[in-house]
Amino acid sequence: EVQLVESGGGLVKPGGSLRLSCAASGFTFSSYSMNWVRQGPGKGLEWVSSISTSSSYTYYAGSVKGRFTISRDNAKNSLYLQMNSLRAEDTAVYYCATSTSSNDWGQGTLVTVSS
Amino acid sequence: DIQMTQSPSSLSASVGDRVTITCRASQGISNYLAWFQQKPGKAPKSLISAASRLQSGVPSKFSGNGSGTDFTLTISSLQPEDFATYYCQHYNSYPLTFGGGTKVEIK
Repeated sequence: EVQLVESGGGLVKPGGSLRLSCAASGFTFSSYSMNWVRQGPGKGLEWVSSISTSSSYTYYAGSVKGRFTISRDNAKNSLYLQMNSLRAEDTAVYYCATSTSSNDWGQGTLVTVSS
Repeated sequence: DIQMTQSPSSLSASVGDRVTITCRASQGISNYLAWFQQKPGKAPKSLISAASRLQSGVPSKFSGNGSGTDFTLTISSLQPEDFATYYCQHYNSYPLTFGGGTKVEIK
């Protein structure tokens, strides 16, 4: 059974940094591209970033480009999102998801950016 | 960037009704279209990928159709557990984008 468990969320001040993690199990992690998707309070789903299987390719939404960095460690079956220069509008539940078609999702981790 | 437009944004329906949700892409995306169901406080759940391929374990009352720019998700007979918000997402190219969502409520 595919399991994705996000962690690392919390309360951070504007301009601060946070690193999210996603621990994967139940499938061959190194064979799948991975995504981060977020959902602001009361809002719809917003794609944030994707990374290819071997980390050769990374992609970002315009709203986070230059501030967020996606990475993965296939030996540890883990996905990461380093978030810098956080803004109030980055407040959201952050989900990791498998493949470009987002077949499987974690339960999400809440990031709140507030002073 | 490819924009995904869902309609309607919300609908009210009764148990047993047949419901159809539409998703339109701003340019052709072949069949690179997925559908998701999300209940309050829960993570999205994948229903369909490749426009019409049902994910494992998803009941056959859900069906997807379309190619190019116009797509539909149909629930053949609405049940109480189907009241939720539904999203489409294209994965033809980056950036990936989601539709705005369709909230299905009880009439």
